[in-house]
Amino acid sequence: DSGVTQTPKHLITATGQRVTLRCSPRSGDLSVYWYQQSLDQGLQFLIHYYNGEERAKGNILERFSAQQFPDLHSELNLSSLELGDSALYFCASRSSHSTEAFFGQGTRLTVV
Amino acid sequence: GQNIDQPTEMTATEGAIVQINCTYQTSGFNGLFWYQQHAGEAPTFLSYNVLDGLEEKGRFSSFLSRSKGYSYLLLKELQMKDSASYLCAVRSGMDSSYKLIFGSGTRLLVRP
Repeated sequence: DSGVTQTPKHLITATGQRVTLRCSPRSGDLSVYWYQQSLDQGLQFLIHYYNGEERAKGNILERFSAQQFPDLHSELNLSSLELGDSALYFCASRSSHSTEAFFGQGTRLTVV
Repeated sequence: GQNIDQPTEMTATEGAIVQINCTYQTSGFNGLFWYQQHAGEAPTFLSYNVLDGLEEKGRFSSFLSRSKGYSYLLLKELQMKDSASYLCAVRSGMDSSYKLIFGSGTRLLVRP
């Protein structure tokens, strides 16, 4: 158990809908990273938050947005969903004193 | 921009040694990670190199040459459970702006 919790584990929704994925980082970790992993693909970096502020953006679509709250949990919002958005979405957290990022178990999103 | 290349697939025999290569081109390089990922699961940390040379950790070793933009992961005494994807990831940025970009991963199949 990495200490990073993601909910829900699985999500099935229809095209055009909006979903919110949640991530609770390890206790005290200020950094949260979101990644998308499509079938048999590598991890695509989406966005990084540090202590509530956006610090880096990757190839994140305009339909996607994220935020990190004062209690440090983060949410990834995906809207106007398309079939191609079906993927595993991972969250990772890291402390300021550590080089290593710890990953949650992911949310498997299926868009039908 | 950032570019990370790894072989897509490799096959090796139980008990043997396998070397998985990773080449990268990136700005602001600040270290290289190797993660292991079993299908549908979270990536787990294997190693981190920031200086040139070899880091050994049990059956796994990782090597870095910053001048060549090259790293490898060496797995010794292969076991069936080592069948997984191995992800090379480059860290760029510092401290709170640290970003971790992954290659597409190398799928390793260990045969009896």
